[in-house]
Amino acid sequence: QKEVEQNSGPLSVPEGAIASLNCTYSDRVSQSFFWYRQYSGKSPELIMSIYSNGDKEDGRFTAQLNKASQYVSLLIRDSQPSDSATYLCAATNAGNMLTFGGGTRLMVKP
Amino acid sequence: SQTIHQWPATLVQPVGSPLSLECTVEGTSNPNLYWYRQAAGRGLQLLFYSVGIGQISSEVPQNLSASRPQDRQFILSSKKLLLSDSGFYLCAWSLGDRDSPLHFGNGTRLTVT
Repeated sequence: QKEVEQNSGPLSVPEGAIASLNCTYSDRVSQSFFWYRQYSGKSPELIMSIYSNGDKEDGRFTAQLNKASQYVSLLIRDSQPSDSATYLCAATNAGNMLTFGGGTRLMVKP
Repeated sequence: SQTIHQWPATLVQPVGSPLSLECTVEGTSNPNLYWYRQAAGRGLQLLFYSVGIGQISSEVPQNLSASRPQDRQFILSSKKLLLSDSGFYLCAWSLGDRDSPLHFGNGTRLTVT
């Protein structure tokens, strides 16, 4: 079964630091990758998408993709307490369905 | 722009009672529609998806069913709820192509007592 793996955490970082969230995927045909943020009790919210190798920056967020290593990461610069949430990584499979990882809980401490 | 509406936001139902959750999408035609469930502290479990009216694919065998009576309407139902049906139910839509993300509704928190 094709999977997306994430460390469940919690990942604890101090306010103002860089938070690094990692994700690996097993389906080599995956072409599109997404990061979602989910606050406790709320639905997942799309924050980043990445389709090609390299980095993609959007404000304080940078997504990184390495298809050779089957590795996706999300960097959050200048982390704020409001960034505390669970971050879900997702990858498309051959049938254009999204497979989600279990999520990493991030805690940003003031 | 596209929006997705899901209701109710919370629901408390006794064991054995029926269930009907509804989801509608505005601003797009022929979207792919999805129902997910998320148990407390757990990941997302895909329950059903639909690529068109009347076309439903089930991912997990259980006492739930789904229907798509209109292009942008997706309904999740059960004839008799079980305690294990408690969870956070999420409706989502996508354009269905490889590069399209899912967009989630606000979810329904279901507690079966």
